[in-house]
Amino acid sequence: QVQLKESGPGLVQPSQTLSLTCTVSGFSLTSYNVHWVRQPPGKGLEWMGRMRYNGDTSYNSALKSRLSISRDTSKNQVFLKMNSLQTDDTGTYYCTRDWTEGPFDYWGQGVMVTVSS
Amino acid sequence: DTVLTQSPALAVSPGERVTISCKASESVSTRMHWYQQKPGQQPKLLIYKASNLASGVPARFSGSGSGTDFTLTIDPVEADDTATYFCQQSWNGPRTFGGGTKLELK
Repeated sequence: QVQLKESGPGLVQPSQTLSLTCTVSGFSLTSYNVHWVRQPPGKGLEWMGRMRYNGDTSYNSALKSRLSISRDTSKNQVFLKMNSLQTDDTGTYYCTRDWTEGPFDYWGQGVMVTVSS
Repeated sequence: DTVLTQSPALAVSPGERVTISCKASESVSTRMHWYQQKPGQQPKLLIYKASNLASGVPARFSGSGSGTDFTLTIDPVEADDTATYFCQQSWNGPRTFGGGTKLELK
């Protein structure tokens, strides 16, 4: 069955770099787009960026200067790297997928990231 | 970017009908999707492309709209529907979400 699972550190110090991994199963990264979405505590959802099925990437303009998304299709993994973290980057980070610009039909369980010294 | 506007909160009694609205700052055709999120859980797809029920979602949920105005309807509302509901568009450029509508049961 389709699964996505995020992994990464729960605590990051201010000004440091966040590295997260989304490991997928039950579908191919060369057929579906994988997105990263985050949610500050008690707040709404923010789209961060996308790894397209063909390897192209696109980013939220507000995060573009700090964000990089890459993948390893042989390991069924998509990676997120975001630098210069601040306290307002604290929140739950999700990976999710879509097909042909459709809805996000499957989501990972999310990983909580706290930015604090 | 396309801004999606939702009312922050609603309170209804079990058995009633509730409509949750989402207004887009520009047309998104019918590329509007709805999600339910309960505390501590990831969002769950309810409705895709404005009016299509996602797999396994009860028929009490329905969606309508096109262009800039969309509605999610729950009829009848059940206690388990307590959650926050988000709309999201996939028509214009970067994906955007509404701020969410928190549904509480009286």
